[in-house]
Amino acid sequence: TQLLEQSPQFLSIQEGENLTVYCNSSSVFSSLQWYRQEPGEGPVLLVTVVTGGEVKKLKRLTFQFGDARKDSSLHITAAQPGDTGLYLCAGPDRGSTLGRLYFGRGTQLTVWP
Amino acid sequence: GAGVSQSPSNKVTEKGKDVELRCDPISGHTALYWYRQSLGQGLEFLIYFQGNSAPDKSGLPSDRFSAERTGGSVSTLTIQRTQQEDSAVYLCASSLVGGTGSNYGYTFGSGTRLTVV
Repeated sequence: TQLLEQSPQFLSIQEGENLTVYCNSSSVFSSLQWYRQEPGEGPVLLVTVVTGGEVKKLKRLTFQFGDARKDSSLHITAAQPGDTGLYLCAGPDRGSTLGRLYFGRGTQLTVWP
Repeated sequence: GAGVSQSPSNKVTEKGKDVELRCDPISGHTALYWYRQSLGQGLEFLIYFQGNSAPDKSGLPSDRFSAERTGGSVSTLTIQRTQQEDSAVYLCASSLVGGTGSNYGYTFGSGTRLTVV
């Protein structure tokens, strides 16, 4: 059972289009993180959201944390080929006092020029 | 160093051989994690070290897997008697001190791609 479900699994779009990817759970998380991973590299942290209803913007990327802190979304405006990568959401394990994270399986985004 | 360093970047080994994977975390990061990433499977937690505390080994898939962290810095993940199902990318990450609901993100290395033939 996946604690964090991400959708869609794959997304292929043209440069300039907008898109939204989702991260959902039946559990409440104190915070959620988003990472982007490019081929041959480890994931890179994009943002951490901590407050229900919070919206954070990072240039063309907008991250939202659900009011109930069970879900999050990532919206990309005017996607560019450089946005191509695997987008992962992650949340802390409440049963661990040591900072262990659960990861979703990710959304593989391809942006074509 | 400036980032998390992993070596080797690629390793091809014969079934039944032992392998050692190395991780050098960011200086000052007391928490160190090993994850495994297989195609379509996401990131699977293996083991976690935090300072001088006993490591959280709950993710190790079998007793063929072990890890140690010497001097609170470099870590080595050892896989004995490798099997084909061990083929994956092994990722190491470090972070500042964690805690329940920690907001500290991980800094990952580039991983070691292990292929067992």
